[in-house]
Amino acid sequence: EDQVTQSPEALRLQEGESSSLNCSYTVSGLRGLFWYRQDPGKGPEFLFTLYSAGEEKEKERLKATLTKKESFLHITAPKPEDSATYLCAVQAPGSYIPTFGRGTSLIVHP
Amino acid sequence: DTAVSQTPKYLVTQMGNDKSIKCEQNLGHDTMYWYKQDSKKFLKIMFSYNNKELIINETVPNRFSPKSPDKAHLNLHINSLELGDSAVYFCASSQGNNSPLHFGNGTRLTVT
Repeated sequence: EDQVTQSPEALRLQEGESSSLNCSYTVSGLRGLFWYRQDPGKGPEFLFTLYSAGEEKEKERLKATLTKKESFLHITAPKPEDSATYLCAVQAPGSYIPTFGRGTSLIVHP
Repeated sequence: DTAVSQTPKYLVTQMGNDKSIKCEQNLGHDTMYWYKQDSKKFLKIMFSYNNKELIINETVPNRFSPKSPDKAHLNLHINSLELGDSAVYFCASSQGNNSPLHFGNGTRLTVT
């Protein structure tokens, strides 16, 4: 059973059309939740770390939030350059490595 | 300056061959990883090393052997390559447990 589930699998937006990506997790005692952005032909690039429910982080048009069961990546007024695959990863207690979700592929049309 | 660098970027080879992928990080991190990303973009951990010592070895065929000559390098050697080994392999590093990973740009391996 997947510990990390991301939805939707793919999302198409018009430029300026705000939306949210979801990352739900089943681990207890979460030690950290990470968001990454991956562009074609590149490695994932770190965006945010969230450690506790209620925490929020922002960077330009992106805002990540965390509850006890899920995290959202809110994209406000996206631009075509925000098109990428967004990956979520969770760190469980006693684990040395984060477990990744399968990602959301975002395309923003001009 | 490239933080995590992998070579080669592309690798095309025939079944049965042996090949290596090299990885170096200049971030001073203690922990390094190898991940495999399949065609559906799913990242699966293969190995993790902390200070040259193996700490994670997921269910990976024995044909895959990581080698860490020092804490800045983690190379991946693959023997007797199979068609199913075709994927993108990513090297990553982190400061330690519960820290974000810094990834290289991947090596696309194609086995024909």
